[in-house]
Amino acid sequence: QKEVEQDPGPLSVPEGAIVSLNCTYSNSAFQYFMWYRQYSRKGPELLMYTYSSGNKEDGRFTAQVDKSSKYISLFIRDSQPSDSATYLCAMGTGGYNKLIFGAGTRLAVHP
Amino acid sequence: GAVVSQHPSRVICKSGTSVKIECRSLDFQATTMFWYRQFPKQSLMLMATSNEGSKATYEQGVEKDKFLINHASLTLSTLTVTSAHPEDSSFYICSVKGGRDTEAFFGQGTRLTVV
Repeated sequence: QKEVEQDPGPLSVPEGAIVSLNCTYSNSAFQYFMWYRQYSRKGPELLMYTYSSGNKEDGRFTAQVDKSSKYISLFIRDSQPSDSATYLCAMGTGGYNKLIFGAGTRLAVHP
Repeated sequence: GAVVSQHPSRVICKSGTSVKIECRSLDFQATTMFWYRQFPKQSLMLMATSNEGSKATYEQGVEKDKFLINHASLTLSTLTVTSAHPEDSSFYICSVKGGRDTEAFFGQGTRLTVV
Protein backbone atom coordinates (compact mmCIF):
# COMPACT_ATOMS: atom_id res chain seq x y z
CA GLN A 1 0.00 0.00 0.00
CA LYS A 2 1.32 3.42 -0.94
CA GLU A 3 1.68 5.96 1.84
CA VAL A 4 -0.40 8.46 -0.13
CA GLU A 5 -3.17 7.48 -2.53
CA GLN A 6 -4.57 9.86 -5.10
CA ASP A 7 -6.85 9.10 -8.02
CA PRO A 8 -4.95 10.10 -11.17
CA GLY A 9 -8.11 10.95 -13.09
CA PRO A 10 -8.40 12.49 -15.58
CA LEU A 11 -11.21 14.63 -14.27
CA SER A 12 -13.09 16.70 -16.81
CA VAL A 13 -15.56 19.38 -15.71
CA PRO A 14 -17.34 22.33 -17.33
CA GLU A 15 -16.30 25.85 -16.55
CA GLY A 16 -17.91 27.12 -13.36
CA ALA A 17 -18.19 23.71 -11.73
CA ILE A 18 -17.07 22.92 -8.21
CA VAL A 19 -14.15 20.51 -8.28
CA SER A 20 -13.33 18.13 -5.46
CA LEU A 21 -9.89 16.52 -5.30
CA ASN A 22 -8.94 14.03 -2.62
CA CYS A 23 -6.12 12.04 -1.12
CA THR A 24 -5.95 9.37 1.50
CA TYR A 25 -2.91 8.42 3.50
CA SER A 26 -1.77 5.75 5.88
CA ASN A 27 0.88 7.40 8.05
CA SER A 28 -0.77 8.89 11.13
CA ALA A 29 2.40 10.88 11.84
CA PHE A 30 1.75 13.25 8.93
CA GLN A 31 0.88 16.69 10.23
CA TYR A 32 1.66 18.96 7.30
CA PHE A 33 -0.55 18.82 4.23
CA MET A 34 -0.07 20.66 0.99
CA TRP A 35 -1.67 20.94 -2.40
CA TYR A 36 0.46 21.76 -5.41
CA ARG A 37 -0.57 22.62 -8.95
CA GLN A 38 1.64 21.46 -11.78
CA TYR A 39 1.24 22.55 -15.36
CA SER A 40 2.58 20.33 -18.09
CA ARG A 41 6.38 20.15 -18.14
CA LYS A 42 6.69 22.61 -15.26
CA GLY A 43 7.63 22.36 -11.62
CA PRO A 44 4.89 22.25 -8.95
CA GLU A 45 3.68 25.44 -7.34
CA LEU A 46 2.23 25.57 -3.84
CA LEU A 47 -1.50 26.27 -3.64
CA MET A 48 -2.46 25.49 -0.08
CA TYR A 49 -0.67 24.56 3.11
CA THR A 50 -2.43 23.20 6.18
CA TYR A 51 -1.11 22.10 9.51
CA SER A 52 -3.03 19.34 11.31
CA SER A 53 -6.80 19.07 10.93
CA GLY A 54 -9.25 21.70 9.82
CA ASN A 55 -10.20 23.88 6.88
CA LYS A 56 -8.34 26.63 5.10
CA GLU A 57 -9.74 28.92 2.46
CA ASP A 58 -7.91 31.06 -0.08
CA GLY A 59 -10.00 32.67 -2.77
CA ARG A 60 -11.65 29.95 -4.83
CA PHE A 61 -9.67 27.20 -3.10
CA THR A 62 -10.55 25.42 0.12
CA ALA A 63 -8.41 22.73 1.71
CA GLN A 64 -9.77 20.30 4.27
CA VAL A 65 -7.91 17.87 6.45
CA ASP A 66 -9.57 15.08 8.42
CA LYS A 67 -6.83 13.34 10.36
CA SER A 68 -9.24 10.91 11.99
CA SER A 69 -10.10 9.54 8.56
CA LYS A 70 -6.66 10.19 7.07
CA TYR A 71 -8.34 12.06 4.25
CA ILE A 72 -7.61 15.43 2.71
CA SER A 73 -9.50 17.40 0.10
CA LEU A 74 -9.10 20.39 -2.13
CA PHE A 75 -12.18 22.18 -3.43
CA ILE A 76 -12.07 24.58 -6.35
CA ARG A 77 -15.09 26.83 -6.76
CA ASP A 78 -16.09 28.47 -10.02
CA SER A 79 -13.49 26.47 -11.91
CA GLN A 80 -11.81 28.13 -14.87
CA PRO A 81 -10.06 26.70 -17.94
CA SER A 82 -6.84 28.11 -16.49
CA ASP A 83 -7.27 25.69 -13.58
CA SER A 84 -6.57 22.83 -15.98
CA ALA A 85 -3.46 21.19 -14.57
CA THR A 86 -2.32 18.29 -12.45
CA TYR A 87 -3.00 18.69 -8.75
CA LEU A 88 -0.65 16.95 -6.35
CA CYS A 89 -1.26 16.41 -2.69
CA ALA A 90 1.79 16.21 -0.48
CA MET A 91 2.32 15.62 3.17
CA GLY A 92 5.03 15.28 5.73
CA THR A 93 5.87 14.99 9.37
CA GLY A 94 8.12 18.04 9.60
CA GLY A 95 7.09 21.05 7.57
CA TYR A 96 8.50 21.06 4.07
CA ASN A 97 11.07 18.40 4.77
CA LYS A 98 10.78 15.07 3.01
CA LEU A 99 7.37 15.47 1.45
CA ILE A 100 5.51 12.41 0.24
CA PHE A 101 3.52 13.18 -2.88
CA GLY A 102 0.40 11.65 -4.30
CA ALA A 103 0.41 10.59 -7.93
CA GLY A 104 -1.47 13.72 -8.95
CA THR A 105 -4.95 14.19 -10.43
CA ARG A 106 -5.21 15.60 -13.93
CA LEU A 107 -7.97 18.16 -14.17
CA ALA A 108 -9.41 19.57 -17.37
CA VAL A 109 -11.87 22.45 -17.20
CA HIS A 110 -13.57 22.97 -20.53
CA PRO A 111 -15.33 26.19 -21.58
CA GLY B 1 7.47 33.26 -3.92
CA ALA B 2 11.14 32.58 -4.33
CA VAL B 3 12.64 32.20 -7.75
CA VAL B 4 14.32 28.90 -8.42
CA SER B 5 16.18 28.50 -11.67
CA GLN B 6 16.87 25.03 -12.96
CA HIS B 7 19.08 24.46 -15.97
CA PRO B 8 18.89 22.97 -18.50
CA SER B 9 15.17 22.57 -18.99
CA ARG B 10 15.68 19.75 -21.42
CA VAL B 11 18.67 17.59 -22.29
CA ILE B 12 19.27 14.61 -24.52
CA CYS B 13 22.39 12.58 -23.97
CA LYS B 14 23.93 9.37 -25.16
CA SER B 15 23.93 6.29 -23.01
CA GLY B 16 27.09 6.10 -20.90
CA THR B 17 27.69 9.83 -20.70
CA SER B 18 27.19 12.10 -17.69
CA VAL B 19 24.80 15.00 -17.37
CA LYS B 20 24.87 17.86 -14.88
CA ILE B 21 21.73 19.67 -13.80
CA GLU B 22 21.94 22.96 -11.92
CA CYS B 23 19.49 24.35 -9.40
CA ARG B 24 19.89 27.97 -8.33
CA SER B 25 18.05 29.94 -5.72
CA LEU B 26 18.01 33.45 -7.13
CA ASP B 27 16.62 35.54 -4.31
CA PHE B 28 17.20 33.83 -1.00
CA GLN B 29 19.70 31.62 0.72
CA ALA B 30 18.69 28.00 0.51
CA THR B 31 19.99 26.00 3.43
CA THR B 32 18.36 22.85 2.12
CA MET B 33 17.72 21.64 -1.39
CA PHE B 34 15.80 18.57 -2.46
CA TRP B 35 16.07 16.59 -5.68
CA TYR B 36 13.05 14.73 -6.99
CA ARG B 37 12.43 12.47 -9.95
CA GLN B 38 9.09 12.19 -11.67
CA PHE B 39 8.23 9.51 -14.20
CA PRO B 40 5.30 10.10 -16.58
CA LYS B 41 1.95 10.09 -14.81
CA GLN B 42 3.61 9.26 -11.51
CA SER B 43 4.23 11.25 -8.38
CA LEU B 44 7.40 13.07 -7.44
CA MET B 45 9.82 10.76 -5.68
CA LEU B 46 12.40 12.28 -3.38
CA MET B 47 15.89 11.21 -4.38
CA ALA B 48 18.06 13.10 -1.93
CA THR B 49 18.28 15.98 0.50
CA SER B 50 21.31 18.21 0.52
CA ASN B 51 22.32 20.76 3.09
CA GLU B 52 24.82 23.44 2.21
CA GLY B 53 28.35 22.39 3.00
CA SER B 54 27.59 18.80 3.92
CA LYS B 55 27.03 15.50 2.17
CA ALA B 56 23.66 14.74 0.68
CA THR B 57 21.30 12.26 2.31
CA TYR B 58 19.99 9.80 -0.23
CA GLU B 59 16.68 7.98 -0.10
CA GLN B 60 16.59 4.23 -0.04
CA GLY B 61 17.19 2.75 -3.46
CA VAL B 62 18.93 5.81 -4.90
CA GLU B 63 22.55 5.16 -5.83
CA LYS B 64 24.71 7.94 -4.46
CA ASP B 65 27.59 7.11 -6.81
CA LYS B 66 25.31 7.39 -9.79
CA PHE B 67 23.48 10.55 -8.76
CA LEU B 68 26.15 12.91 -7.48
CA ILE B 69 24.90 15.92 -5.59
CA ASN B 70 26.97 18.95 -4.74
CA HIS B 71 25.61 21.80 -2.63
CA ALA B 72 28.64 24.00 -2.44
CA SER B 73 26.88 27.29 -1.73
CA LEU B 74 23.63 28.62 -0.36
CA THR B 75 22.40 29.39 -3.86
CA LEU B 76 23.54 26.46 -5.97
CA SER B 77 23.10 22.71 -5.95
CA THR B 78 24.00 20.39 -8.80
CA LEU B 79 22.86 16.89 -9.65
CA THR B 80 25.10 14.87 -11.94
CA VAL B 81 23.70 11.72 -13.48
CA THR B 82 26.75 9.59 -14.20
CA SER B 83 26.95 6.87 -16.83
CA ALA B 84 23.40 7.58 -17.86
CA HIS B 85 21.17 4.76 -19.07
CA PRO B 86 17.84 4.97 -20.93
CA GLU B 87 16.03 4.01 -17.72
CA ASP B 88 17.37 7.22 -16.16
CA SER B 89 15.21 9.18 -18.58
CA SER B 90 12.85 11.17 -16.39
CA PHE B 91 11.82 14.61 -15.20
CA TYR B 92 14.18 15.83 -12.48
CA ILE B 93 13.01 18.64 -10.22
CA CYS B 94 14.78 20.50 -7.46
CA SER B 95 13.22 22.38 -4.61
CA VAL B 96 14.80 24.80 -2.18
CA LYS B 97 13.88 25.99 1.25
CA GLY B 98 15.26 28.40 3.76
CA GLY B 99 15.04 27.66 7.45
CA ARG B 100 12.74 25.35 9.37
CA ASP B 101 9.09 25.44 8.34
CA THR B 102 9.67 27.82 5.48
CA GLU B 103 8.04 27.00 2.19
CA ALA B 104 9.87 24.86 -0.32
CA PHE B 105 9.91 26.30 -3.84
CA PHE B 106 10.30 24.16 -6.91
CA GLY B 107 12.36 24.65 -9.99
CA GLN B 108 10.90 24.26 -13.46
CA GLY B 109 12.33 20.80 -13.87
CA THR B 110 14.73 19.18 -16.31
CA ARG B 111 13.57 16.58 -18.77
CA LEU B 112 16.39 14.12 -19.33
CA THR B 113 16.26 11.74 -22.27
CA VAL B 114 19.00 9.16 -22.57
CA VAL B 115 19.30 7.57 -26.01
